[in-house]
This record gives sequence, C-alpha cells and structure tokens, in this order.
Amino acid sequence: DGGITQSPKYLFRKEGQNVTLSCEQNLNHDAMYWYRQDPGQGLRLIYYSQIVNDFQKGDIAEGYSVSREKKESFPLTVTSAQKNPTAFYLCASTGTGIGSNGYTFGSGTRLTVV
Amino acid sequence: DQQVKQNSPSLSVQEGRISILNCDYTNSMFDYFLWYKKYPAEGPTFLISISSIKDKNEDGRFTVFLNKSAKHLSLHIVPSQPGDSAVYFCAAIRGAGSYQLTFGKGTKLSVIP
Repeated sequence: DGGITQSPKYLFRKEGQNVTLSCEQNLNHDAMYWYRQDPGQGLRLIYYSQIVNDFQKGDIAEGYSVSREKKESFPLTVTSAQKNPTAFYLCASTGTGIGSNGYTFGSGTRLTVV
Repeated sequence: DQQVKQNSPSLSVQEGRISILNCDYTNSMFDYFLWYKKYPAEGPTFLISISSIKDKNEDGRFTVFLNKSAKHLSLHIVPSQPGDSAVYFCAAIRGAGSYQLTFGKGTKLSVIP
C-alpha cells in the first residue's frame, strides 16, 4: 500500500545532540513537508520541498535542517540550536498542487529531549 | 498573524447529538478549505473539503458549511459518536495548484457516551 512512513515512532535525545527524523513516501508525490505539533499550537510548518534538491523554510525553521536528495525521502535534522525540540513531528506529502484531499500525513515521531 | 482561526480549543457533546466545529479565516484569497481529524500520537487524516464556489458539502454524517461573506466555515457531525472524539483541524489553500496548507490550531472534540 502507498503511504508515508516516519521512523522512529519515539525518539529520545540528549541535550546538545543532533538527531535525524526519517520520512519516506511511495506515493510518487512531488511535494513533502515537515510540521511540528505542540499542545495548543496546532500544526506549524518547519520546512517544505516541492521538488528534489530544493526546499524552503517554513514558519519555524530555526534550529532545523532538511535535505531532498531523492523524491521519496525528506529527512529532518533537529540540531542542538533548536531551543525547545521536544514535540510531535509530522511529515506530509502531496502531488502536483494540493488536490481535493490535501496532504497525506505520516503517523508522526515523538521526540523527547532528556 | 493567524490566518485560520479555531477559537474553541475544546468541545464536549453527548453521543447522538450534533457537534458543530467552527473555523474563521482572514485571507480572502483562500479558495479551498479542508477538515482533518487527528487522534493522539497519529497523523491527521483527511475528513471533508469544500471549494469556495460552494456553500455546503456533505459526506455521510459530516457536513461542511461555508459562508464566504463572513469568512466562516463550520463542520457539523450528526449524530456524534464516541469514535469521533479527536482533534479537528481546519485548513485552507490559496489558489489552485498551491502547495501549502494553512492550518488552524485545532479543536478537541469529546463525545460523551
């Protein structure tokens, strides 16, 4: 079945360490996105990519980095510069334009800084 | 500046009654609206959408109403079921072919048996 796979489901990181969250899709979608969810804050856009080897900052890109070397993959690195990294991270994708159903989301990664 | 607003963080409804979730937007360029449903520790799933050229769209127990002049939309769930308990996000798109959704902060619906 086609879909988006995020791994791991739960991730623990020590302060000062970088960590990379994986996102893979087999939907042949052009665009991929990373969102962060915090209680009471809704979904906030971190980075997005419309095509391979190109990506743009979203509303809260500071302390994060991404790459888009393959159409199927859009990993997110949470760097030590991110002041408050503990959150639920969601990856999403869509085809050419958003279409009537919007994004397809992955099941998320819960990152906890210890 | 928040362009999509869900002013009610939470809503409680008795099973079998109607649930009404509201959403307001400020950007008149938005021309397509979607509702997503999200359970804890899972990704959001698409629920229903509406184009700005319509004022109503219905899918089973779910109906979305759009009032363009008031820049307001609402999601009606009738009858509400305990399995509907989740966070509901309103989202908007600006322009056909756009790649970016703008989300509201969500409303947590609790359906009480």
